[in-house]
Amino acid sequence: DTGVSQDPRHKITKRGQNVTFRCDPISEHNRLYWYRQTLGQGPEFLTYFQNEAQLEKSRLLSDRFSAERPKGSFSTLEIQRTEQGDSAMYLCASSLKADYEQYFGPGTRLTVT
Amino acid sequence: SQQGEEDPQALSIQEGENATMNCSYKTSINNLQWYRQNSGRGLVHLILIRSNEREKHSGRLRVTLDTSKKSSSLLITASRAADTASYFCAGRSAGSYQLTFGKGTKLSVIP
Repeated sequence: DTGVSQDPRHKITKRGQNVTFRCDPISEHNRLYWYRQTLGQGPEFLTYFQNEAQLEKSRLLSDRFSAERPKGSFSTLEIQRTEQGDSAMYLCASSLKADYEQYFGPGTRLTVT
Repeated sequence: SQQGEEDPQALSIQEGENATMNCSYKTSINNLQWYRQNSGRGLVHLILIRSNEREKHSGRLRVTLDTSKKSSSLLITASRAADTASYFCAGRSAGSYQLTFGKGTKLSVIP
């Protein structure tokens, strides 16, 4: 499978715990995006990487959220001290160039209890 | 804030009929992309149309773009039950890398 992959697909955690999600983009894509989607809404942008550089961040990305892409390949999104409001689907996408199609992975569904 | 606003919010049609969904956006865009999402799943890319294009086709899909009205439409011809899903438009504004999505149109195709 050469699409975008995400791991895990589902995560249930207790409030206050830290969680980390991983995204593997399409292999030749050097642009990577994270989005968050809550029920009944469209995805909302969180952050963007070009290679290993984080070039754009949404104000939704509070200081409890951090994203990395250390070698310009896979990326991780960490949420510290999770809150119930963090419950959502976290989606990763990649593209070959900035103005090209963004292809999405299957998402990680986070439930904070 | 949302860039795209899809209309209608929900649409129910019989198999074989055509489905038209509209999208309006607020700021100038470089491109607009349409996606399909089945319940609880990831987004499937359908088509990208650039700001200098007026119409694009892909199989049973036809997308139009009117930059003067800041609007786009997605037409699905000869719909099938498998087309049942939510459809989103997403605009990429000049000077930004992100896509800004609307709330989507929920399409139900009745066999």
